[in-house]
Amino acid sequence: QKEVEQDPGPLSVPEGAIVSLNCTYSNSAFQYFMWYRQYSRKGPELLMYTYSSGNKEDGRFTAQVDKSSKYISLFIRDSQPSDSATYLCAMVAFGGYQKVTFGIGTKLQVIP
Amino acid sequence: NAGVMQNPRHLVRRRGQEARLRCSPMKGHSHVYWYRQLPEEGLKFMVYLQKENIIDESGMPKERFSAEFPKEGPSILRIQQVVRGDSAAYFCASSPGEGKDGGNIQYFGAGTRLSVL
Repeated sequence: QKEVEQDPGPLSVPEGAIVSLNCTYSNSAFQYFMWYRQYSRKGPELLMYTYSSGNKEDGRFTAQVDKSSKYISLFIRDSQPSDSATYLCAMVAFGGYQKVTFGIGTKLQVIP
Repeated sequence: NAGVMQNPRHLVRRRGQEARLRCSPMKGHSHVYWYRQLPEEGLKFMVYLQKENIIDESGMPKERFSAEFPKEGPSILRIQQVVRGDSAAYFCASSPGEGKDGGNIQYFGAGTRLSVL
């Protein structure tokens, strides 16, 4: 079993839809949770960062962490064609210095 | 991706040659990480370095791969005697390494795409 599970998609939605992206994990030591966006043939770009459980909102993006269920989500409201990219969840264990474990990434396409 | 500079962006090597990938971290960052991304496998951690020190190389293949981050200059990922299976995108990330979250927020470069013929 992988430490971090993420559906690779692809996920296609119409413009304006609410997008829900999810990851599950098995390592209960994970405390820091990130979402990165990666456009084709580019490097990952940090979108959201959350420590422990809870919600965090930034513009059209909301990140949720449920540690009891070992489940994290990223919601994108009013999705735009420019949101079309691969979304990677990433996690770090507390005390795990800086070794980041990534999900495989979900490929999202927003259709105009 | 602003600030973490990787070069070259594309590198073509024949089997048996050496590949050298360079990474200059963001200004003020002293921690560097290398990752490899294969099409169906996602980003995999390779090595974590601080200036003149390798902190964790648990993700590095035991042979042919080495990394350094000298006191002066960029971090170098070196792959000796490349094979076709080394073809991948190699990403460098950096972090400031200080502060409550300083070590956990990593900023990535645009990557080097290595093709082995």
